Order: sequence, then C-alpha cells, then structure tokens
Amino acid sequence: QVQLVQSGAEVKKPGASVKVSCKASGYTFTGNYLHWMRQAPGQGLEWVGWINPNNGGTDYAQKFQGRVTMTMDTSISTAYMELTSLRSDDTAVYYCARDWNGNTFDYWGQGTLATVSS
Amino acid sequence: QSALTQPRSVSGSPGQSVTISCTGTSSDVGAYNYVSWYQQHPGKAPKLMIFDVSKRPSGVPDRFSGSKSGNTASLTISGLQTEDEADYYCCSYAAIYTAFGGGTKVTVL
Repeated sequence: QVQLVQSGAEVKKPGASVKVSCKASGYTFTGNYLHWMRQAPGQGLEWVGWINPNNGGTDYAQKFQGRVTMTMDTSISTAYMELTSLRSDDTAVYYCARDWNGNTFDYWGQGTLATVSS
Repeated sequence: QSALTQPRSVSGSPGQSVTISCTGTSSDVGAYNYVSWYQQHPGKAPKLMIFDVSKRPSGVPDRFSGSKSGNTASLTISGLQTEDEADYYCCSYAAIYTAFGGGTKVTVL
C-alpha cells in the first residue's frame, strides 16, 4: 500500500535551516509529483511547492522562493524539503503529499512539526 | 497567488445537509476543473474527499458531493453524521501555483 513517512519533529532557532524528509513506498517513486504543504498552529493549509521525482524539476510558491529547496534521492525513494532563514512564523506542521492526477493529493505523510524558537 | 475564500464555519443536525462554498477567481477555480476537497480531523493529515470538482475516490461515502459554477466550487454533505465533524479545505490548480481555501469547520449539532 502507498505510504509516505516523514522525519521527526524539529526545533530550530531563528535564522537556522530545517530539512524534512518524506520516504515513499508502495508505488513507483518517479511516477508522481510530490508536493509540500504546511499548516501553522490553528491555521489552514498553505502550498509550498512541488518536485518532479522523474527529473528533479521543481516549482515553488512565490512566498518561499529564495528560501526553499526541494530535492530527492531516487535510490531510496525519498524527497526532501529544506527551508532556510527560519522565522517564528515558519513554525508549522509540514506535509508531503502525492499528486495523483492534476493537483489531486491522494496520499499524505503524517506531518512533521517544525518549531522555530529562540 | 491568493487563497480561496471559504466560510469559517457551518453547522447542521444529524441527517441534515450542509454546503461549503469555495470562491476563487478566473485564474484558478474558474479556469480549471481541478478542484479538490480535503477533510481534516484534529491532529490528523488531510484526507481526499472530492477531486476534479465532483469525483469521489473509492471509499468516500456518496453523501459527499462536489460542484462548481463560475469561480465558486461547493462541497455538499448530505445526511450529516457525527463523524463528519471536521475541518474541510478546498484546493484548486492555478497553472503556476496551487491555491487552498482557508478552511471551514463543520459542526454536527
């Protein structure tokens, strides 16, 4: 069965970077785009960007351009999202999700809480 | 790259119907039939409920239905059940970005 398993919670200081992993199983990793979303405490979902595991192509939301980098390692079916120059308002649960068909997210990771605090 | 507009909350008694609206623009909801809806219970990851405006994934009860008119999409829950109490988010493809709604809390009275 399809599973996306994310890395554990992180605590970072302002100005630092965080790198979250998302390990896929149960399907062909290179066959679907992976998107990243985040959800601040008590807030709604926010799209961060996507990576195409087939060729490494990426697209990021305008808000995060210059601070976010998405990469992958096809040998271990794992995608990564790194966010730099962290601020307190980056505190959120970060999710990866598989794009099944035209921005349809059929499987989601369990979420990774990243806390930014001095 | 703007968020889609949803009501903050809707409520209904068991067995009743509720409808959640999701208003975008001619660049997102109005331009593409790639509108999806997600249910999220507290502390859990979102779950796909509707895709391509009105299609239901396998396993989603048929009391959930979706539609679209112009720049506004809608999710209707018919025959409301206690387990439907959750947050619901709409999502639309917009070519160069993906837009989410702010979320609607559904309360079963």
